[in-house]
Amino acid sequence: QGQLVQSGSELKEPGASVKVSCKASGYTFENHAMNWVRQAPGQGLEWVGWINTETGDPTYAQGFTGRFVFSLDTSVSTAYLHISSLRAEDTAFYYCARPHPGGKCSGGTCYLDLWGQGTLVTVAS
Amino acid sequence: QSALTQPRSVSGSPGQSVAISCTGTSSDVGYYNYVSWYQQHPGKAPKLMLYDVSQRPSGVPDRFSGSKSGSSASLTISGLQAEDEADYYCCSYLGSRTYVFGTGTKVTVL
Repeated sequence: QGQLVQSGSELKEPGASVKVSCKASGYTFENHAMNWVRQAPGQGLEWVGWINTETGDPTYAQGFTGRFVFSLDTSVSTAYLHISSLRAEDTAFYYCARPHPGGKCSGGTCYLDLWGQGTLVTVAS
Repeated sequence: QSALTQPRSVSGSPGQSVAISCTGTSSDVGYYNYVSWYQQHPGKAPKLMLYDVSQRPSGVPDRFSGSKSGSSASLTISGLQAEDEADYYCCSYLGSRTYVFGTGTKVTVL
C-alpha cells in the first residue's frame, strides 16, 4: 500500500534550477528506497537513480551525475530531486517510484511498484 | 550505458499472442536474472508487470509471461485484450547499484 504525491508542473528558463518533491504516505518512508525516472514528452523511460531513504546515500545513473541531486526530509516523508543549470533537453516528466516490499535497489531487485503521478518540468525561454 | 533494445512496435488481434524482445549484453540482461517489465498507458505512470524475469506481481493477469535466453529477455502477452494496448518497457540491473530501461515497445491491438 502507499501513495506518492509529487509537486506540480514547473516552467523554468535555461540555466535555472528546479526542485521536485515526492511525498510518501501509507508506509514507513525509511524502509524503502526512492527512485527517480525521467520521461521526455513522447519518449521512453530513463532511470535517473535512487536514494537510500535510511542513510541518504544516493546512486546516479550515467548521464545524471553533477546537475541532478537527490535529497530527503524524513521528518515529512519526502524525497526531492534538484536539477541545476537546466537545459531544454531536461524538459520531461519526472517520476518518483518506490520498489516493491523486499526489493533491494542495492542488489538488483529494485522493482518499482508504487509511482508518483509525475511532475512536468518545462525548460524554455 | 545504452538503453536495452526493444522493437518499436508490435501488433496483434484480440485473442492472439504477441512477444516483445529486450536485447542487452552479457553485462546486463545476459549476466543478471534481474529483468522487469513495465506497462504504461498514455498519460499514466508505469505499472510493474513482471520481475525477476518471469514473476508476476499480485493482480497481474497470467496472460503476461516472461522468459530469458542469453542476453535477450521476452515478454509474451497471450490472449491479447484491448486493454493491453500500451507501451511496454523492460529494465535490467547493470551492477554497481544501477539500472537501465529498454527503448520501449508500443503494443497495438488491431
